[in-house]
Amino acid sequence: DTAVSQTPKYLVTQMGNDKSIKCEQNLGHDTMYWYKQDSKKFLKIMFSYNNKELIINETVPNRFSPKSPDKAHLNLHINSLELGDSAVYFCASSQEGRGGSKQYFGPGTRLTVT
Amino acid sequence: RKEVEQDPGPFNVPEGATVAFNCTYSNSASQSFFWYRQDCRKEPKLLMSVYSSGNEDGRFTAQLNRASQYISLLIRDSKLSDSATYLCAAAPAAGNKLTFGGGTRVLVKP
Repeated sequence: DTAVSQTPKYLVTQMGNDKSIKCEQNLGHDTMYWYKQDSKKFLKIMFSYNNKELIINETVPNRFSPKSPDKAHLNLHINSLELGDSAVYFCASSQEGRGGSKQYFGPGTRLTVT
Repeated sequence: RKEVEQDPGPFNVPEGATVAFNCTYSNSASQSFFWYRQDCRKEPKLLMSVYSSGNEDGRFTAQLNRASQYISLLIRDSKLSDSATYLCAAAPAAGNKLTFGGGTRVLVKP
């Protein structure tokens, strides 16, 4: 009965590789998000999709490309990984894409780039 | 200046005591506010929304002060299990871009 799930939970890879993280929610929510939490624990929004449409695209290197095949799934593909990409990536979802809509987070993907 | 700021702590709290901490926000357009709890190596979990009139959920009370642009969280009768990092978040009226503070670490000790 997991609400927001992510795979993989851990990802260790070398610089220059390309990797993907997957997220699925079974809450019936319309909006999904990707956040990055760095080593200093700051949690920052990267992208948001509402019903498969990109609505938030923060200043993120274009090596990061989100993709939403349907409103229950949001994937994140990262090209040419760099050391600075090491972080925990959290997926989240909310009922709506408006202010005040509560967001629920997945368990996170801990990415380590060596 | 960060958009949402919190005292990183840690706040060392004796079990059974009351602890309170604030979170300041700089964007006066912020309309919605939340407190999340994050345990070590876990995801943030929604603790409560913060309403203009303030709200209470068991031992937890959240307040919003729009004039001074801060929200607060008070924990009464602290339990060992309350030890965690508490993240505050603010969102504008339009769109749902949550901006998080850096978190306040609370350690409840026997």
